[in-house]
Amino acid sequence: GAGVSQSPSNKVTEKGKDVELRCDPISGHTALYWYRQRLGQGLEFLIYFQGNSAPDKSGLPSDRFSAERTGESVSTLTIQRTQQEDSAVYLCASSRDSYTGELFFGEGSRLTVL
Amino acid sequence: TQLLEQSPQFLSIQEGENLTVYCNSSSVFSSLQWYRQEPGEGPVLLVTVVTGGEVKKLKRLTFQFGDARKDSSLHITAAQPGDTGLYLCAGGGRTYKYIFGTGTRLKVLA
Repeated sequence: GAGVSQSPSNKVTEKGKDVELRCDPISGHTALYWYRQRLGQGLEFLIYFQGNSAPDKSGLPSDRFSAERTGESVSTLTIQRTQQEDSAVYLCASSRDSYTGELFFGEGSRLTVL
Repeated sequence: TQLLEQSPQFLSIQEGENLTVYCNSSSVFSSLQWYRQEPGEGPVLLVTVVTGGEVKKLKRLTFQFGDARKDSSLHITAAQPGDTGLYLCAGGGRTYKYIFGTGTRLKVLA
């Protein structure tokens, strides 16, 4: 597709389980971002990739969160031992590079931890 | 830590009214962006401003970047129900990290 694709769109899981969220960026976009958005709030920066390198992981809330990216393609965000406070929409965005400024967002993955 | 505070948090107005949303920070940004987000969707870029004092117009929307590049405003003239959504400002520095504001939820009533 032409846009950023995220899956799953909705995920309900039990506390303590691991979840994987996937992001397919726009083809040719070298920069990829993950943000978290709690209900009705702004976006919280999690991690950024330039190619498959993640120069800054300081936005990840805890060591239960990790992310990887294959080349300049798919990225996965993994949350281990999920907690109820992890419930949020996880948004992925890509950009042609880190300097052009326009972020193209996917529709997000809504995570609910029971 | 860079923070972007938006005000007001919530705004409910009648169709045809004017409004202004503010985005403030104590940090200097190289660029400032405004996005609009509708329910169930990701944010969509409206505008990017890069020069202190810059004013950009997009139909009924006017965006201004503060002289010191620490703040910005979005003014909507004659609001319409289609303007309803969550408005987010985002500050960009000399690096990759785009810091998003706290958001302003606008509802325009017909």
